[in-house]
Amino acid sequence: AQKITQTQPGMFVQEKEAVTLDCTYDTSDPSYGLFWYKQPSSGEMIFLIYQGSYDQQNATEGRYSLNFQKARKSANLVISASQLGDSAMYFCAMRELTFYNQGGKLIFGQGTELSVKP
Amino acid sequence: DADVTQTPRNRITKTGKRIMLECSQTKGHDRMYWYRQDPGLGLRLIYYSFDVKDINKGEISDGYSVSRQAQAKFSLSLESAIPNQTALYFCATSDLQLGSVTDTQYFGPGTRLTVL
Repeated sequence: AQKITQTQPGMFVQEKEAVTLDCTYDTSDPSYGLFWYKQPSSGEMIFLIYQGSYDQQNATEGRYSLNFQKARKSANLVISASQLGDSAMYFCAMRELTFYNQGGKLIFGQGTELSVKP
Repeated sequence: DADVTQTPRNRITKTGKRIMLECSQTKGHDRMYWYRQDPGLGLRLIYYSFDVKDINKGEISDGYSVSRQAQAKFSLSLESAIPNQTALYFCATSDLQLGSVTDTQYFGPGTRLTVL
C-alpha cells in the first residue's frame, strides 16, 4: 500500500491566488514527521516545511502553511499569493520513528506539478 | 557556496562502465544519504550512512556501492552501469537526533546520469 499519496498529478493556479496541494499518508506509527519539498525544473530539492505528528499547531513558513488533519491522515500544503516562481514539482514526504534505524528514511509521494499562470 | 554539492552534475556513460558520483557537505551533519529519482516514482533510498564507520543499504541498493571517506564526503559507485540506472541521483544530509522525527534532510543539486 502507498505510504504517501498525492492524488493531483498536475494543477494550475492564477498568480496571486492561493492553492492547496493534497497529501494523505498511511502509518500505524504514533510518532512521525511530514515534510514538503519543492523541485523546480532545474532539478534541486528544496525543503519547504515540516510538521511533527505531536505538534498541536499547523506549521507555517512564510507563504507556506501545512493543513495538518491527523484523524484524516492528511497534510496538505497551502501556498498563499502564488508567484510565477512557485511553478515546480512538489513532493510530500514522511519519516516514521520506527525507521530511525534505517537512517531516517524519507518516504516520498509521486509529486504534484504546479503551474502558476500570469 | 552550497552546503551540499554533487559532482558531476551531468554524466553520460555506456553500459558496463564504472561510474562514481561524489557528494560533499559543509553542514557538519553526520548522516548522509543517496537517493535516486525516476519519473513518476518520487525518490527512493539507495544507501545511507550514520557516520564514517556505519553504512547501510536502503531499499534499492542492488547494483550500487558506497564509500564514506570522511564525515563530509559520501560517494556512490555503479560498478557496471546498465541502462535502467538512468536517473536523477540525489545526495542528502541530516543531523538526526536518536529518537527524534524532527530531522530535516537537505539535498544536493542532483546528478543526471544517462546510461546508454
